[in-house]
Amino acid sequence: KQEVTQIPAALSVPEGENLVLNCSFTDSAIYNLQWFRQDPGKGLTSLLLIQSSQREQTSGRLNASLDKSSGRSTLYIAASQPGDSATYLCAVQNSGGSNYKLTFGKGTLLTVNP
Amino acid sequence: ETGVTQSPTHLIKTRGQQVTLRCSSQSGHNTVSWYQQALGQGPQFIFQYYREEENGRGNFPPRFSGLQFPNYSSELNVNALELDDSALYLCASSSGGAGADTQYFGPGTRLTVL
Repeated sequence: KQEVTQIPAALSVPEGENLVLNCSFTDSAIYNLQWFRQDPGKGLTSLLLIQSSQREQTSGRLNASLDKSSGRSTLYIAASQPGDSATYLCAVQNSGGSNYKLTFGKGTLLTVNP
Repeated sequence: ETGVTQSPTHLIKTRGQQVTLRCSSQSGHNTVSWYQQALGQGPQFIFQYYREEENGRGNFPPRFSGLQFPNYSSELNVNALELDDSALYLCASSSGGAGADTQYFGPGTRLTVL
């Protein structure tokens, strides 16, 4: 059974700081890994999707890496801004028999202080 | 291109009642997945519909049921509501069934059971 863990559960940083969010998963047989952003009480916004054959993806100030063999991914946010404050969720899609669903971590609550 | 929409936005019910939540998939998508997100938790997979057939199901009791219509919109029905059913219910659409590409999420329906 796939399990996804995100560390830390919460993070508070001053504006302008670079930061790293961590995600680990127990089953390396994945189809892809996706990072989402969720604002309070809202739906999910996809930030980056990394296919299992890729090592990283970049979008603006965001960079996500994937090490499938070790079951780890990181989301790097450069020059953080107060508008980045949100919960960040990591999700994997298995390549095996249950490949119809995403398995999520519990998320990291990020607060960027002005 | 219209994104994923869900209705209603908020809903309050009492224990034992029944509820129907609705989701309109993104244009061109034939697959809809439903997730339940309790407060402070990551989303949990309920089930997926592909071309009007249930394509996979998570660990939810039979009182959680669904439908997908010829236009690929979907309903989630929950019977005999319990207090623990209080959550944000998210719908996601994608194309191509299991193992397919990015799932696009709607804004969610907040269900409160009193």
